Amino acid sequence: QQQVKQSPQSLIVQKGGIPIINCAYENTAFDYFPWYQQFPGKGPALLIAIRPDVSEKKEGRFTISFNKSAKQFSLHIMDSQPGDSATYFCAANLRSSGNTPLVFGKGTRLSVIA
Amino acid sequence: NAGVTQTPKFQVLKTGQSMTLQCAQDMNHNSMYWYRQDPGMGLRLIYYSASEGTTDKGEVPNGYNVSRLNKREFSLRLESAAPSQTSVYFCASRGRTQGADNSPLHFGNGTRLTVT
Repeated sequence: QQQVKQSPQSLIVQKGGIPIINCAYENTAFDYFPWYQQFPGKGPALLIAIRPDVSEKKEGRFTISFNKSAKQFSLHIMDSQPGDSATYFCAANLRSSGNTPLVFGKGTRLSVIA
Repeated sequence: NAGVTQTPKFQVLKTGQSMTLQCAQDMNHNSMYWYRQDPGMGLRLIYYSASEGTTDKGEVPNGYNVSRLNKREFSLRLESAAPSQTSVYFCASRGRTQGADNSPLHFGNGTRLTVT
């Protein structure tokens, strides 16, 4: 049973566009929602994370929006650049559980074309 | 600091052969993880070790074994490789949660394994 559903699987946008990647989770006990960014040939790296006590978090051009009642969260990339082309993974976890594993979505391959 | 180091980077095996994927971290992290990444399947957890001396199965443990050799090292062994184990394997580590946010996962750069 997949606990975090991510969409779309792939996305192509023009430079300057605002790609949006969506995730939905099932376990209402989750209380930590990170996004990881992966470039070809590299391992994923933490991009930005949010807790459910806030509805939005911005770091540079990256914004997470969180809707607790709908059990959904999304990543927006403002003024997207070709260098943002990567695979993005959403994830969820129980922050209070210590180091139990993150549950990952299946990933979104983003291509930003000039 | 090197972070998380995985060896080898590439490997080709024949069906039935065995091998061990090595992983070491120099961040003094307690927890370590092995994932496999396949197209359209995302990152699937094979095994993890929440602390030195413990290991637990993840989502796809069949065909694999692990050893937490010490706090730094966590190895993944394929006893009898099968074509279905062709994948990219990632090791990751994470420190203790402190403050408001979980400690992030730190990934190595992966081992690309092909089983023919």
